[in-house]
Order: sequence, then structure tokens, then C-alpha cells
Amino acid sequence: QVQLVESGGGVVQPGGSLRLSCAASGFIFSDFDMHWVRQPPGKGLQWVAIIRYHANSKYYADSVKGRFTVSRDNPKNTLYLQMDSLRAEDTAVYYCARWRRSGTILGYQYAMDVWGQGTTISVSS
Amino acid sequence: EIVLTQSPGTLSLSPGERATLSCRASQSISSSYLGWYQQKPGQAPRLLIYGASSRAAGIPDRFSGSGSGTAFTLTISSLAPEDSAVYFCHQYGNSNEGTFGQGTKVEIK
Repeated sequence: QVQLVESGGGVVQPGGSLRLSCAASGFIFSDFDMHWVRQPPGKGLQWVAIIRYHANSKYYADSVKGRFTVSRDNPKNTLYLQMDSLRAEDTAVYYCARWRRSGTILGYQYAMDVWGQGTTISVSS
Repeated sequence: EIVLTQSPGTLSLSPGERATLSCRASQSISSSYLGWYQQKPGQAPRLLIYGASSRAAGIPDRFSGSGSGTAFTLTISSLAPEDSAVYFCHQYGNSNEGTFGQGTKVEIK
């Protein structure tokens, strides 16, 4: 079945680095743009980044720009998020999500239709 | 950055009642990129509505979405106990930056 599984979470000190992975299965990974979304404890959802299916375009939220890098390995069906210079405010559950385009050339619609279960990052000294 | 503002913050209703959730954008956005998501405690978000008004696969028809421009609405026509959750609207469009609303918590009395 269609599935996304995140891994790589853990506890890291401020200023440290961590790399998250998101393993995709059950669909043609290279056909889809992919997002990272995070959720701080007890708070709402925050969009983090998107990478296009061909990996040639990547966009970031201002809060992570210059510190986080999104990448993908299409032959390995895996999405990554390299997080550097981590701060306490980066503490959150991190989700990967598939960005699906549906419709026709007359009108496309988009949505995050498949989500992983999330992986938890805690930035603390 | 496009800001999405959801209201009310919390909605407390009885089973069978109608719930109306609002999502207002700080500037006009394309309906094609407006989605609604449901999140229950300890779970990942689940897609309910995409393109502002299309129901995702497997979503009961008591859920409906409407709106355009800067004003969007999620309606639950007859609340069921399992609809207790937080609901988020989301947009990602031409600005290449995504945003979520802060969420509306729906409580079933």
C-alpha cells in the first residue's frame, strides 16, 4: 500500500545537526513533489519545505532557510531533510507528505494526500 | 507570506449538529491549492478536502468545502462522535511558500 515512513529523529544539542529520512513505498516516488511539515509540541502545523519531483527546485520556510536542506534519492525512493544549526524552536514532530496533483489541463488541484507517521526532534542542552 | 486565519478557535457542538469552520487568507489565493486536514491526537494529519471543495477518497459526504479568493469554509453537516479533532486549512501556491491556519478544535458534547 501507499506509505511514507520517517526516521532519524532524536535528541540533539542546540547548534547540532540531524538528518531525517522518509522512505516511500507503494507508488512511483519520482512522479511526486514532496513536502516536509512540522508540529511543535501542543501547537499547529508548520510548513517547512518542498522539493520538486526532479529535485531541481526546492523552497523553504523563512524560519529554516539557510539551515535546512531538502533532498531526495529517487532510485532509493527516499526523501531527506538535513537540519543544521538546530535551535530549541525546531523541536517538533516532523512529517513528510506527498504532494498530489489531480485534474486535467483545464484545471489542476493539489493536496498533501499521503502523510508519514512523523518522527520527533528535540533540541535541548 | 500569506497568512491563513481560522475561526473559531474551538467549536463545541452536539452530535447531529452542523459545524461551520472558517479559513480566511490575507490575500487572494487559488482554490486549486486550498486544502483542509483533520488531525486527531497522536495521529498524522489526514486530507479531507482538496481544491477547496473536492472530497478526498474515503471521506464521508457530511464533510464539504466551499469558498474562493480569501474566504473558505469547511462544513460538517451532521456531527458524528468521531469528528472530534483539530481541523487545519492549508495553502501552497505561486509564492512557493506554504502556510497552515492555526487550527479549529471541534469538540463533541
